[in-house]
Amino acid sequence: NAGVTQTPKFRILKIGQSMTLQCTQDMNHNYMYWYRQDPGMGLKLIYYSVGAGITDKGEVPNGYNVSRSTTEDFPLRLELAAPSQTSVYFCASSDFSGTRGGELFFGEGSRLTVL
Amino acid sequence: AQTVTQSQPEMSVQEAETVTLSCTYDTSESNYYLFWYKQPPSRQMILVIRQEAYKQQNATENRFSVNFQKAAKSFSLKISDSQLGDTAMYFCAFILTGANNLFFGTGTRLTVIP
Repeated sequence: NAGVTQTPKFRILKIGQSMTLQCTQDMNHNYMYWYRQDPGMGLKLIYYSVGAGITDKGEVPNGYNVSRSTTEDFPLRLELAAPSQTSVYFCASSDFSGTRGGELFFGEGSRLTVL
Repeated sequence: AQTVTQSQPEMSVQEAETVTLSCTYDTSESNYYLFWYKQPPSRQMILVIRQEAYKQQNATENRFSVNFQKAAKSFSLKISDSQLGDTAMYFCAFILTGANNLFFGTGTRLTVIP
């Protein structure tokens, strides 16, 4: 199994550009998440999904959008990129959420720089 | 609001020695789960150990064990017989039962010295 796969691994954007971070998982997990990790900070939840067609905001959703048309895929879209969105982005998936304290499986991360 | 605090930004330990990483959290709820995740230099984060708040017994996974003090809201990680492969960032994390947001601490960078 590949687990959670994120693309691209690195990207440089200019201010105002848009892009989509791709995330796919092959574990048939219902729960999927997007986190961002800033230097010296813990991970912050951007958006999450509890199943196909269902998404919800996390702690820091502004400037981002998501969709979940299939169980496998959970892309994160950045509209009008800003320097504040320079970060490392992690996609994760889980069988369960807080209901049963499920383990999160993470992708390798995508390092995004906005100049 | 739930918060997770890791007060040790960096630590080092000699190979084969024991090290303890600290974590405290704040919540008014009584049902939750606590985790330690490891992020090696390759960046893919993996679960080290998990503790259910309703269990008084401390979780153990081979060389990794926790000291869970619910009243003190403390959840430290002990690594015994440290190995070079333990070099990584370690994140403490917390989730309320029934919630969807896992709260992370700021991490502790552990270096195992040969």
